[in-house]
Amino acid sequence: AQKITQTQPGMFVQEKEAVTLDCTYDTSDQSYGLFWYKQPSSGEMIFLIYQGSYDEQNATEGRYSLNFQKARKSANLVISASQLGDSAMYFCAAGGSSNTGKLIFGQGTTLQVKP
Amino acid sequence: NAGVTQTPKFRILKIGQSMTLQCTQDMNHNYMYWYRQDPGMGLKLIYYSVGAGITDKGEVPNGYNVSRSTTEDFPLRLELAAPSQTSVYFCASKGFRGKGFFGQGTRLTVV
Repeated sequence: AQKITQTQPGMFVQEKEAVTLDCTYDTSDQSYGLFWYKQPSSGEMIFLIYQGSYDEQNATEGRYSLNFQKARKSANLVISASQLGDSAMYFCAAGGSSNTGKLIFGQGTTLQVKP
Repeated sequence: NAGVTQTPKFRILKIGQSMTLQCTQDMNHNYMYWYRQDPGMGLKLIYYSVGAGITDKGEVPNGYNVSRSTTEDFPLRLELAAPSQTSVYFCASKGFRGKGFFGQGTRLTVV
């Protein structure tokens, strides 16, 4: 069965510093995607970054990068130069690319950026 | 370019009532999903579909039903509503690769 683990319920970071949010996954699928979403207090789900399991390069989207270590089954999100607007809940998800299409989310990490 | 549209945005149900949450996407995505999110928690997969006519149970399917008669629509049916179904419900869709698109969510309260 698929399982996503985010071990940091809450994180603090100083404005303008970098922060890493951890995510490990467990899947038996050969092909899968790895995703990070941001959920601000307003509640909407905002897509941040995607990595395919066969992509050799780590994905980057502006200040977001995904540190993909396939052998360790880890997909950590790195946010560089944190901004106050980055304060939100962050969710890691995996799946959605195999024949099954199943897409499972982790329990989330709350990030607070301090001025 | 509507993306994923969920209706209604808010609903209050009485215990034992039934309702259908509607979800429509206009991106011709094969994969569609229903999640529920309890306060302060992550998203739990209720049901998902990999194409018209194909649906499968997720992590928490009890008390819900779905159908997928077209590529665009993926309604979620709640039968005999219970207080435990009070939650925020999200519908999402995606293509084979790349990001998933989410609807704005439905806040459901069962009293």
